[in-house]
Amino acid sequence: NAGVTQTPKFRILKIGQSMTLQCTQDMNHNYMYWYRQDPGMGLKLIYYSVGAGITDKGEVPNGYNVSRSTTEDFPLRLELAAPSQTSVYFCASSYKRQYSNQPQHFGDGTRLSIL
Amino acid sequence: DQQVKQNSPSLSVQEGRISILNCDYTNSMFDYFLWYKKYPAEGPTFLISISSIKDKNEDGRFTVFLNKSAKHLSLHIVPSQPGDSAVYFCAASANDMRFGAGTRLTVKP
Repeated sequence: NAGVTQTPKFRILKIGQSMTLQCTQDMNHNYMYWYRQDPGMGLKLIYYSVGAGITDKGEVPNGYNVSRSTTEDFPLRLELAAPSQTSVYFCASSYKRQYSNQPQHFGDGTRLSIL
Repeated sequence: DQQVKQNSPSLSVQEGRISILNCDYTNSMFDYFLWYKKYPAEGPTFLISISSIKDKNEDGRFTVFLNKSAKHLSLHIVPSQPGDSAVYFCAASANDMRFGAGTRLTVKP
């Protein structure tokens, strides 16, 4: 019962580098999300997907890209890393859409530092 | 634009006593409210939810109260146990989900 798996757990990037944060879920959920959590702040939605091939922007999408080619995978891409993107990133999935009472299942997070 | 606020960054209680975690919101369009629990180095896990048409929901030791007129909800944990020590996030949903900044609960043996 893996649930939502995120890789890597930690990463340090230099300014201007690019990387992809991986997220996969084995619960056959249609809905998947990427959040970031900055110190002392709540989680903020970056992008979400309602199914394979369909993605949409959340509250803070600038500087990020996503794709959803399969139900299981929802990678998050940083093209030109900036210090402001230093954060903890959480991937989540749910059976129903995000604004219902269905809880989201979260991965354990990726701690990303941009230096 | 913080639509969901948890004004207490931390709370410490004695084992066996009641823990009360508070959350305030500003958007009257929120129709569901959820509490998540987070341990270090793990993702948040769902704890309990309440619909805006109810004022109370109970699940074992956990009860959530909703006061719509005051735009306030609270999570009661009775009795508190050391394993309850974690960060608790309040979340509210309308067209999207908004999270509070979290309250770190410490339950002392």
